[in-house]
Amino acid sequence: NAGVTQTPKFRILKIGQSMTLQCTQDMNHNYMYWYRQDPGMGLKLIYYSVGAGITDKGEVPNGYNVSRSTTEDFPLRLELAAPSQTSVYFCASSLTGGSYEQYFGPGTRLTVT
Amino acid sequence: GQQVMQIPQYQHVQEGEDFTTYCNSSTTLSNIQWYKQRPGGHPVFLIQLVKSGEVKKQKRLTFQFGEAKKNSSLHITATQTTDVGTYFCAGTNTGNQFYFGTGTSLTVIP
Repeated sequence: NAGVTQTPKFRILKIGQSMTLQCTQDMNHNYMYWYRQDPGMGLKLIYYSVGAGITDKGEVPNGYNVSRSTTEDFPLRLELAAPSQTSVYFCASSLTGGSYEQYFGPGTRLTVT
Repeated sequence: GQQVMQIPQYQHVQEGEDFTTYCNSSTTLSNIQWYKQRPGGHPVFLIQLVKSGEVKKQKRLTFQFGEAKKNSSLHITATQTTDVGTYFCAGTNTGNQFYFGTGTSLTVIP
């Protein structure tokens, strides 16, 4: 199993550009999450999904969109990138909700200039 | 909204010394998880605590969940250089959303 994979690893965006961060898991997990981690800070939940076709907002959803058309994939869309979205983005998955550990992908380091 | 605070933010110890990080939530949690993140890496699950007053051990690591289920601690005995990294607690009261603490960055001086 590859676990949770994320692409790209690094990206530089100009202000106002858009992009999609890809996340795929091959563990047949129901729950998937997107977090952002700012330097020296903990992880903040952006969006999560409890299954295909179901998504919900986390703590910091503004400026982002998600979709979950399959169990495996959970892409994160940034529209009109802003410098405040400069961060490391982690995708994670778990079998179900709070009783199960989260498996994290390697992260995408995004810089918006 | 729910807040999870973690102290200290940084800790430097000599190899062989003990280390403790504390996690405090503004609300009662249903369970709490601990993760370790090596520099440049991603968080890796260490353990989950569910019961009030629960204590779990993993070799030199001891995890506690407070009686009121609002605080938790991680204690490492006789630190080694392999313990270097940032330790995060993550609590939930809904089962869907986890709130991560700000983390404690551990440096071990050989």
